[in-house]
Amino acid sequence: DTAVSQTPKYLVTQMGNDKSIKCEQNLGHDTMYWYKQDSKKFLKIMFSYNNKELIINETVPNRFSPKSPDKAHLNLHINSLELGDSAVYFCASSHSKTPAYEQYFGPGTRLTVT
Amino acid sequence: AQTVTQSQPEMSVQEAETVTLSCTYDTSESDYYLFWYKQPPSRQMILVIRQEAYKQQNATENRFSVNFQKAAKSFSLKISDSQLGDAAMYFCAYRSANTGTASKLTFGTGTRLQVTL
Repeated sequence: DTAVSQTPKYLVTQMGNDKSIKCEQNLGHDTMYWYKQDSKKFLKIMFSYNNKELIINETVPNRFSPKSPDKAHLNLHINSLELGDSAVYFCASSHSKTPAYEQYFGPGTRLTVT
Repeated sequence: AQTVTQSQPEMSVQEAETVTLSCTYDTSESDYYLFWYKQPPSRQMILVIRQEAYKQQNATENRFSVNFQKAAKSFSLKISDSQLGDAAMYFCAYRSANTGTASKLTFGTGTRLQVTL
């Protein structure tokens, strides 16, 4: 059983296009996250939702828009893709009542913008 | 803002030997959590071990243990009896305990561990 799943796992697209990445968790968690891992493997938080409410919004271009239709899903839509958006995007989830708020990660989506 | 530093970009260890990965962090908070995550070539992020700052006892998980030095703000990971499957990127991460549900992880830059025969 996949705990945190992401689709697609790979995404190749051209500059200027709009794309979405979907994330679903079946762990019963109430908090979900998007992280970006750049070409140097550095991981940085982008967004976080708790019970469908946006609670973390780091300095991310407006072209990135997260949407959480329910507690189990968090999608990431990217408009007008740029070369610099190429990265691996990870979805993660946790439960606010779990000690240490352990975060469980999805398999990542490798986005390549050409 | 908190920062996490991993000063060893790459490490190498022979199978069955022991290796220690270093991590230091900077924070003005007294209550927080520290984690080590493993990222193998499959790129899946796997939680290896965690430490609560209020606990003096170092966490252990089978062959993995930490040396947590709160005053020095140091959190190293020791891998004993290294196995080929331990080869991966290892990330140290920090999370504040004071932010309620805004529990983002702040990551270090990672250490790539190679395991040789």
